Amino acid sequence: SQQGEEDPQALSIQEGENATMNCSYKTSINNLQWYRQNSGRGLVHLILIRSNEREKHSGRLRVTLDTSKKSSSLLITASRAADTASYFCATADRGSTLGRLYFGRGTQLTVWP
Amino acid sequence: EAGVTQSPTHLIKTRGQQATLRCSPISGHTSVYWYQQALGLGLQFLLWYDEGEERNRGNFPPRFSGRQFPNYSSELNVNALELEDSALYLCASSLISNEKLFFGSGTQLSVL
Repeated sequence: SQQGEEDPQALSIQEGENATMNCSYKTSINNLQWYRQNSGRGLVHLILIRSNEREKHSGRLRVTLDTSKKSSSLLITASRAADTASYFCATADRGSTLGRLYFGRGTQLTVWP
Repeated sequence: EAGVTQSPTHLIKTRGQQATLRCSPISGHTSVYWYQQALGLGLQFLLWYDEGEERNRGNFPPRFSGRQFPNYSSELNVNALELEDSALYLCASSLISNEKLFFGSGTQLSVL
């Protein structure tokens, strides 16, 4: 499968703690994106990192990309109860599969007040 | 600015029937994508339309089809419904292919 794989499948933390989720993939990519999904509804785009970038920040989010290991991590700092959601990584492959993103199965994050 | 809208929110069908799902992209977006999310699974790519043409399709049987209209809205048709077609169907649009997809809230299709 070309899909990304998130790790862990589930993560439970207290408010104020940091949450780290990892994503591994199998092919060469143009970019990698992270999305959040609340309660089985539509996904919300969080951040995009290109293959020539190593780290990117957006507010409380920090994403790293290691193309040699084909892996990425998403760090959410000072988590809040509102961050409770499923988080998915998605890769855009370098090649002819234009228009197609490969999504993993997601990490279910629960943040307890 | 209105987001991606999908209708209906829920759809209940029986085996063998046909289902039609609709999607309106964000104004100015010409690319529309369809994804299937079965319970507990990640998103599976179905179809990509751009400028009215089907540009790519995923590994789904031909009974999954669709089209894009001149106003860039899109329709997904599923013929001869099977129980395993029960899933959340998500539509998304983007300004640039493969970058920053904006998703609708989805259509929950239940096949009985």
